[in-house]
Amino acid sequence: EPEVTQTPSHQVTQMGQEVILRCVPISNHLYFYWYRQILGQKVEFLVSFYNNEISEKSEIFDDQFSVERPDGSNFTLKIRSTKLEDSAMYFCASSDADRFHEQYFGPGTRLTVT
Amino acid sequence: GQSLEQPSEVTAVEGAIVQINCTYQTSGFYGLSWYQQHDGGAPTFLSYNALDGLEETGRFSSFLSRSDSYGYLLLQELQMKDSASYFCAVGDGGATNKLIFGTGTLLAVQP
Repeated sequence: EPEVTQTPSHQVTQMGQEVILRCVPISNHLYFYWYRQILGQKVEFLVSFYNNEISEKSEIFDDQFSVERPDGSNFTLKIRSTKLEDSAMYFCASSDADRFHEQYFGPGTRLTVT
Repeated sequence: GQSLEQPSEVTAVEGAIVQINCTYQTSGFYGLSWYQQHDGGAPTFLSYNALDGLEETGRFSSFLSRSDSYGYLLLQELQMKDSASYFCAVGDGGATNKLIFGTGTLLAVQP
């Protein structure tokens, strides 16, 4: 069964450093998303991406965040200057056009900012 | 604002039936979905209701009443492996139908 993959599984970084979180969505999906989940809290939407551009972003997704689809398979989230409050689990998800409601999530990257 | 409220915890015994409720208040609505999450792992899609009524998928069923902005997930014949967090989520109906997640319900299944 096809699945979304994410790397790394765990990233530790110092405040102010840049991190890049990587995702490989399901190959025939067209819509891509990043969500985050602070420990013990609900999953929160960050950004959605379609047709090689950002479709929608939340208030959380400020200027320190960016997303790219550098090639036909990878989808990345960059955090330019990490803050302590960026510590969270970051999930990538994808869906196809016919089943919008069914988003497939990757296993997540746990980001720890020290 | 947008909110989806769920009970924080539910406890049940193996073999029992449990219902997890979700009430929502969102600006857009493209159906109510349910996701399961084990120990902070990937949320996994369980069920979806676009229209009012009951949808059944094996041991899991989900119900929606759009007029009441309410839905529930029903888990039957509970098994220990069902111990997990369960989230309701509303698709906002926008260009990419982003999901707005509920507060989550931690289900503990006891022997």
